Amino acid sequence: DGGITQSPKYLFRKEGQNVTLSCEQNLNHDAMYWYRQDPGQGLRLIYYSQIVNDFQKGDIAEGYSVSREKKESFPLTVTSAQKNPTAFYLCASSPQTSGRAGDTQYFGPGTRLTVL
Amino acid sequence: GQNIDQPTEMTATEGAIVQINCTYQTSGFNGLFWYQQHAGEAPTFLSYNVLDGLEEKGRFSSFLSRSKGYSYLLLKELQMKDSASYLCAVRDPRAAGNKLTFGGGTRVLVKP
Repeated sequence: DGGITQSPKYLFRKEGQNVTLSCEQNLNHDAMYWYRQDPGQGLRLIYYSQIVNDFQKGDIAEGYSVSREKKESFPLTVTSAQKNPTAFYLCASSPQTSGRAGDTQYFGPGTRLTVL
Repeated sequence: GQNIDQPTEMTATEGAIVQINCTYQTSGFNGLFWYQQHAGEAPTFLSYNVLDGLEEKGRFSSFLSRSKGYSYLLLKELQMKDSASYLCAVRDPRAAGNKLTFGGGTRVLVKP
């Protein structure tokens, strides 16, 4: 089955610890994205990547880091510098990097991170 | 800059119709998307509009007016399973990649 997987679904960490969230896709999509969602709110873009070994900051990149060493994988690290890391994190991928009409983003199931 | 507004919450009765409005003020426009998101789950794609007019997909329809910076999602014959959040998102052609900006989402509660 083709799709996007994120693991784990629930994650708990102590304050001050870095944590890495996994995102894998087997859809052969070029572009991948990380969003943060807080309760009752929309999605805010953290980082995105159009191609392997390249990525750009989104609207709220501070306190986060990413890598794109393989087309299929786009892990997100939440560092201790992120002041309010508790949130629902969603990874997405898209088949086109040029914004061709109709290309939507496909989302993984999300990881709910709680920092204690 | 990008600014996308949607009502926070709406309530409707099973079998009825609900219209969710979305207004946007963006520096560029290359399409508007609607997603459905059930609580604690991933958003799923519902519809896409890039030209003015109405797009119909079964019980769901989406309308776009580019001159007014306005879209709506129409849900007909509401079912209990339609209780979810509905997200409006705009694609900016000047942003690198297929980048979307999302509104805050509208939570729809369907009552029996």
